[in-house]
Amino acid sequence: ETGVTQTPRHLVMGMTNKKSLKCEQHLGHNAMYWYKQSAKKPLELMFVYSLEERVENNSVPSRFSPECPNSSHLFLHLHTLQPEDSALYLCASSRTIGPSGSTGTDTQYFGPGTRLTVL
Amino acid sequence: AQTVTQSQPEMSVQEAETVTLSCTYDTSESNYYLFWYKQPPSRQMILVIRQEAYKQQNATENRFSVNFQKAAKSFSLKISDSQLGDTAMYFCAFMKHESWEGSNYKLTFGKGTLLTVNP
Repeated sequence: ETGVTQTPRHLVMGMTNKKSLKCEQHLGHNAMYWYKQSAKKPLELMFVYSLEERVENNSVPSRFSPECPNSSHLFLHLHTLQPEDSALYLCASSRTIGPSGSTGTDTQYFGPGTRLTVL
Repeated sequence: AQTVTQSQPEMSVQEAETVTLSCTYDTSESNYYLFWYKQPPSRQMILVIRQEAYKQQNATENRFSVNFQKAAKSFSLKISDSQLGDTAMYFCAFMKHESWEGSNYKLTFGKGTLLTVNP
């Protein structure tokens, strides 16, 4: 399970802190994603990058700021978060963002997630 | 907008037995993909199986198979010869197929079914 890695695995922060989540993919993919997974809710897509360009910002508050310096790395910068932002944040990557027909190149591979707790 | 419904929040099965997880979806699209992802406790989410809507044949991957009923908008997952390692949260997901470049990435997830395999 080393295709997509995320650090840290756990993070506790206060509402006034600034922290960053890091994602790295070792699959040679061109697309990367941030998802939020809250208890008893479906996964929510937050951001999508393709070839280091953002192609989706799914109405995410500005206290979440993504950065994609190259196709292998994706960051999520956090500042002045709220307790309701506590969740598991998942990173994913795919070879392309399509269309892929039956080739499966748009299949997304997930990292282990960062469990974020905002106090 | 697409919706994915997993009506069974939790299920359990005895080791070596067969279990079926249900998933229904709502869409007006005719061309799309369906996925089952597995998320073991404290481990990363992995793709179990993928189905293209234009294919009538049900996808299979070893002990995992699907029953895809396009008219009924149903996509159930059957796990045969259940193993302890199958204990996980299972997510059904939908992706619309877009015909233009750079748009096949929006996965819509269900809330998940927690499957426990008992020894």
